[in-house]
Amino acid sequence: IAGITQAPTSQILAAGRRMTLRCTQDMRHNAMYWYRQDLGLGLRLIHYSNTAGTTGKGEVPDGYSVSRANTDDFPLTLASAVPSQTSVYFCASSPDAGGNGYTFGSGTRLTVV
Amino acid sequence: GEDVEQSLFLSVREGDSSVINCTYTDSSSTYLYWYKQEPGAGLQLLTYIFSNMDMKQDQRLTVLLNKKDKHLSLRIADTQTGDSAIYFCAGGGGYSSASKIIFGSGTRLSIRP
Repeated sequence: IAGITQAPTSQILAAGRRMTLRCTQDMRHNAMYWYRQDLGLGLRLIHYSNTAGTTGKGEVPDGYSVSRANTDDFPLTLASAVPSQTSVYFCASSPDAGGNGYTFGSGTRLTVV
Repeated sequence: GEDVEQSLFLSVREGDSSVINCTYTDSSSTYLYWYKQEPGAGLQLLTYIFSNMDMKQDQRLTVLLNKKDKHLSLRIADTQTGDSAIYFCAGGGGYSSASKIIFGSGTRLSIRP
């Protein structure tokens, strides 16, 4: 089934540890995104990638990094996790043109203690 | 940039119509979207409207767009318990690579018997 796969589905992480959230899509979409979802704040864009080999900063990029070595994968790394990064993280992708919106993964629930 | 606002909660009686409202700031948004998020899941695209349209109907869903007032609404006819979810309004999109979409904070729709 075409779509987006995120891993892990949930994780409890000690503060100060490094963590990579994985995201893979099989739709050959050019663009990919990482959002965090927090109660009352909706979805906030962390980083995005227009196409393989390029990345850009979103609304809340601090403490996060991404890479886009190929079309399918868009991992999100927390270099040194802090409790304020406790959130639900969603990966999404879209084709070049608008109108179809985004396809979302099912999310990763991350708790930093 | 785009800013999207919507109320956080809505409660309706089963069988009644639900109307979820949204306001946005960026009049250049090419598309306006409604996403649905069920508990523990990612966002699913429910419907969208192109910015040069006033209305779009799709079965029980009716989207109304007032470009002058920058107001978007989603009407769900004959609301059912399965409609309980968080509904996100979003704006953006266009015929350029990675036209980023900005999401509102979401409206939690609850259905009472």
